[in-house]
Amino acid sequence: SQKIEQNSEALNIQEGKTATLTCNYTNYSPAYLQWYRQDPGRGPVFLLLIRENEKEKRKERLKVTFDTTLKQSLFHITASQPADSATYLCALHTSAGNKLTFGGGTRVLVKP
Amino acid sequence: DAGVIQSPRHEVTEMGQEVTLRCKPISGHNSLFWYRQTMMRGLELLIYFNNNVPIDDSGMPEDRFSAKMPNASFSTLKIQPSEPRDSAVYFCASSQTSGSKNEQFFGPGTRLTVL
Repeated sequence: SQKIEQNSEALNIQEGKTATLTCNYTNYSPAYLQWYRQDPGRGPVFLLLIRENEKEKRKERLKVTFDTTLKQSLFHITASQPADSATYLCALHTSAGNKLTFGGGTRVLVKP
Repeated sequence: DAGVIQSPRHEVTEMGQEVTLRCKPISGHNSLFWYRQTMMRGLELLIYFNNNVPIDDSGMPEDRFSAKMPNASFSTLKIQPSEPRDSAVYFCASSQTSGSKNEQFFGPGTRLTVL
């Protein structure tokens, strides 16, 4: 069966350190993968998109990698700040249609 | 632009009642998505429209759920009759599909409680 797995345990990290989140998938062949941020009581907000033929993407302090052999994406927040505390969701898009399938999300808590 | 607008923000109703959730997508976007989010099941796609036409409704739980998009600026999700297990946060999202870019813009959600 198809699965998208993110670590359901919260990630507690000290301010200034790098947070690394994983997104593993099985039985999907995504054309691209997206990462979203969700704050409590709000809808998800788009952060980054990485295509199947791209290994790495960066945006400010964020970095995403995509390994289609391992079927895994890693999401890094460098020099983390308390304002980065939120839940981060990965989402897969296959080449059929506009549909996104979301993982369960990982909550990040950055402590000052 | 005001972003995706959803109403109501909160809805409390009794089992058996009809519930209608409303969404106004971002102007110019041609795809609209309805999601449901719960602690147990995460964020699930219920249905999506492209150019006002329903494309994939495989996520709609059962016949009690229906969705319409009469025009490019309005969509509704209706639950009739509602049940306590329908309690969740319902999100509407829209996107402008061009090539392979598919960034979705989410509304603030409607928190539904069915007693």
